[in-house]
Amino acid sequence: GEDVEQSLFLSVREGDSSVINCTYTDSSSTYLYWYKQEPGAGLQLLTYIFSNMDMKQDQRLTVLLNKKDKHLSLRIADTQTGDSAIYFCAEILPSGNTPLVFGKGTRLSVIA
Amino acid sequence: DADVTQTPRNRITKTGKRIMLECSQTKGHDRMYWYRQDPGLGLRLIYYSFDVKDINKGEISDGYSVSRQAQAKFSLSLESAIPNQTALYFCATSADVGSEAFFGQGTRLTVV
Repeated sequence: GEDVEQSLFLSVREGDSSVINCTYTDSSSTYLYWYKQEPGAGLQLLTYIFSNMDMKQDQRLTVLLNKKDKHLSLRIADTQTGDSAIYFCAEILPSGNTPLVFGKGTRLSVIA
Repeated sequence: DADVTQTPRNRITKTGKRIMLECSQTKGHDRMYWYRQDPGLGLRLIYYSFDVKDINKGEISDGYSVSRQAQAKFSLSLESAIPNQTALYFCATSADVGSEAFFGQGTRLTVV
C-alpha cells in the first residue's frame, strides 16, 4: 500500500536549523514535494525534487534525497517564527497518472 | 482573487442532512481533487477528476459523491452527513502529472 511517513511534531529555537524527515513508499517515484500549510490556510508548494537529483538548494531550504533508503529531508536554515507551520511530504507514484500521495504532516513549532 | 475558491468556508450541519461543498478554479487546469484533513492523519484523497468526463474514487470515497460540472467546477456532496465526517476539506487543482497543485483555503465542516 501507499504510505508516506513523517514524524508529527518538531520544535526548534529561532535561528537554529530545522530538519524535517520523510520516508516514501516507492523507489521509482518520479517527483517528490514539500508543501507548507500555515495556520488557517491551504497547502502551498514549498519546493520539489526530481528523482534523478540528490540535493536541491533554494535560499534557506535544502532538500536531500536518498533513493536507496527512500528518504527525503527538508532542512530550513536560520529558522524563523514565520516558518511555524505544518510541512507535508508528497510523492507522485511511478505510474504517473495518479494524484499526489501525502504524508501525515510535521508540525514545526519555532520558539522565540 | 484566489486561484481556487471553496464555498462555504465554514459549515455546521446536522446528522443525516445532505450538504454540498463547492470548488471553482481560475487556473484553467483539467485536474481537480478533493482531500480531507484530520489531525494526525494528514490529507486523504476522497475523489479526483482528470478532466470533465473523468471521475475517480480516492482512498476514502464512501459516504461522498462528486460532480464535475465544468472544467472550472468540482463539487463534493455528503448525501447523509455523519459526525465522523467532521473535518477540514480541501479542493485542489493541477495542470498535469508532476506539476504544482494549487489548494483552496479549505472548508471546515462540523456534523452535529
